[in-house]
Amino acid sequence: GEDVEQSLFLSVREGDSSVINCTYTDSSSTYLYWYKQEPGAGLQLLTYIFSNMDMKQDQRLTVLLNKKDKHLSLRIADTQTGDSAIYFCAESYNTDKLIFGTGTRLQVFP
Amino acid sequence: EAQVTQNPRYLITVTGKKLTVTCSQNMNHEYMSWYRQDPGLGLRQIYYSMNVEVTDKGDVPEGYKVSRKEKRNFPLILESPSPNQTSLYFCSTSDSYEQYFGPGTRLTVT
Repeated sequence: GEDVEQSLFLSVREGDSSVINCTYTDSSSTYLYWYKQEPGAGLQLLTYIFSNMDMKQDQRLTVLLNKKDKHLSLRIADTQTGDSAIYFCAESYNTDKLIFGTGTRLQVFP
Repeated sequence: EAQVTQNPRYLITVTGKKLTVTCSQNMNHEYMSWYRQDPGLGLRQIYYSMNVEVTDKGDVPEGYKVSRKEKRNFPLILESPSPNQTSLYFCSTSDSYEQYFGPGTRLTVT
C-alpha cells in the first residue's frame, strides 16, 4: 500500500541549512509536494515537483527527488526562526488524493 | 481572493451530540476533500467528492458522513461523535496540480 515516512523532529541553528527527508513507496506517484504548517494554522503549499524531474529550486528552497530510492528531500538554505513549523511531504498519483507523511517538526534556534 | 472557509474553527462537544462542520470554496473547483490530522499520523483522508452528488470514502470514513448538494459546499457530518474523533480537521479543494486547504477545525469530543 501507499506509505510516506518522515523523521519526526529536526533542530538547526539559525543561518544553517535544513534538510528534511521523506521516503515514499508508491512508484506510480506523479506529483510530490512539500507543505508547511505553522502553529495554529492550516497547510501552506511550499513547492512541488513532478516525478519526471530530479531537482527544483525556488529561492531558499531546493527539492531533490531520487526516484530509484523513492526519496524526496527539502533543503532550506539560511534557515530563519520564521521557518520553524511542521513540514509535510505528500505524494499523489492524480493530484486529487494526497498521501501525507507524518510531518517533521523543524525547530530553529538562535 | 481564492478561499476555503471552514466553520466552526473550534468546537468542544459531548459524545453522541450530532454536529456538522461546514466547508465552502469560491474557486469553482470540482474536487473537494476532508482530512483529519492527528499527532504522529499526518493527515488522513476521510471522504472526497469528485463533483456535485458524487462522494466516496477515503482512508478513514468510519463515523463520518458528507454531502455535496452544490459545488461550493462540502459539509462533514458526525452523527454520533465519539472521543476518538477528537482531531484537527481540514477541508481542501483541488484543481490541476494544487490543493487548497481551509484553516482547520479543532474538534474535541468529551
